[in-house]
Amino acid sequence: DQQVKQNSPSLSVQEGRISILNCDYTNSMFDYFLWYKKYPAEGPTFLISISSIKDKNEDGRFTVFLNKSAKHLSLHIVPSQPGDSAVYFCAPYPPTSGTYKYIFGTGTRLKVLA
Amino acid sequence: KAGVTQTPRYLIKTRGQQVTLSCSPISGHRSVSWYQQTPGQGLQFLFEYFSETQRNKGNFPGRFSGRQFSNSRSEMNVSTLELGDSALYLCASSTGLNEKLFFGSGTQLSVL
Repeated sequence: DQQVKQNSPSLSVQEGRISILNCDYTNSMFDYFLWYKKYPAEGPTFLISISSIKDKNEDGRFTVFLNKSAKHLSLHIVPSQPGDSAVYFCAPYPPTSGTYKYIFGTGTRLKVLA
Repeated sequence: KAGVTQTPRYLIKTRGQQVTLSCSPISGHRSVSWYQQTPGQGLQFLFEYFSETQRNKGNFPGRFSGRQFSNSRSEMNVSTLELGDSALYLCASSTGLNEKLFFGSGTQLSVL
């Protein structure tokens, strides 16, 4: 029962262009959505998040869009830079944390070509 | 402020052995959670501890266990190692009151 899907395992983008990473979820109870970025041999680091009361959140080159009716979110990186090459995980979060089994998508490996 | 520290960084074991991994959370964080990462499988949740109590557990066999100490440091133990246990094991800490996780660099376990 995969509640979070990142259907593109990998993505290659030219430097300077836009990268769009997608994430679909099935549980309408999810209240908050986070994106983490992971470099090889390092732990994931928090990148950006969005609350379900919003449909967009922007932080510099990174913007996350949320479409609740479609249970879909996307991460846009503009312009893409070689240092953005990493694996990106989508992670939803419910309204209450007490009994939550943290869920992560399978990740999308982004490669930004110089 | 020091980050999340995991030791050891690399570990090689043989089938049937047992292993203990350690995680020191960010100071003040009371929640520690553990994850297994294998190629193509993303991050699989193992368990979470909050104030020395296991608050939740993922779908892993009983060979995987953990504990948390009064200083919030946590250990994870895997007994009777199998080849399929080879993975990157990550721990993350948080305040336990919100959703943001801070990860360590992980322990790369190889089972031969």
